[in-house]
Amino acid sequence: QVQLVESGGGLVKPGGSLRLSCTASGFIFSDYYMSWIRQAPGKGLEWVSYISSSGSMIAYADSVKGRFTISRDDAKNSLYLQMNSLRAEDTAVYYCVRECTSGYDCWFDPWGQGTLVTVSS
Amino acid sequence: SYVLTQPPSVSVAPGKTARITCGGNSIGSRSVHWYQQKPGQAPVLVIYYDTDRPSGIPERFSGSKSGNTATLTITRAEAGDEADYYCHVWDSSNDHRVFGGGTRLTVL
Repeated sequence: QVQLVESGGGLVKPGGSLRLSCTASGFIFSDYYMSWIRQAPGKGLEWVSYISSSGSMIAYADSVKGRFTISRDDAKNSLYLQMNSLRAEDTAVYYCVRECTSGYDCWFDPWGQGTLVTVSS
Repeated sequence: SYVLTQPPSVSVAPGKTARITCGGNSIGSRSVHWYQQKPGQAPVLVIYYDTDRPSGIPERFSGSKSGNTATLTITRAEAGDEADYYCHVWDSSNDHRVFGGGTRLTVL
């Protein structure tokens, strides 16, 4: 079945870095756009970044632009999120999600189980 | 940037119909997707392309749009439908993805 499994979350100090990974299975990973979405404790969903199937198109939410970098390795069926200059407000559960193959009007399905990132001194 | 507005909470009696709205400028020209999130779980897609239902989602869930508002309708509400619901669109102006603030559905 289609599955996404995130890893790499944890506790990090303000200003620190962390790299999240997402391993996909059950579908042709290289065909799909992928996104990262986060949810701060007790808050709503916030889209963070997407990467196209070819890796040539990328976009970031204004709140993370210049600090986070999304990438993918199709040979490893993996999606990554490099997070630098972390702030307390980046504390959240980070979800890896599959979009569609076109990048246009896509929905998110499925979602991974999420990995918690806590930024605190 | 594009903004989607949802009511923070909606209440419905068991067996009745719940309607959760999602407002946005020119939302009629955008495809709206809806997600259900139960406590401690990842969100699940319940409606895509305004009105389509993924396999495994009960027919009690439906979507519609009118004017500047999209609506998720849940008929014959059950206790198991208690959850947070989020709408989502693609903002073509900047290629961003946008969520509404979420609506907590209470079945009481």
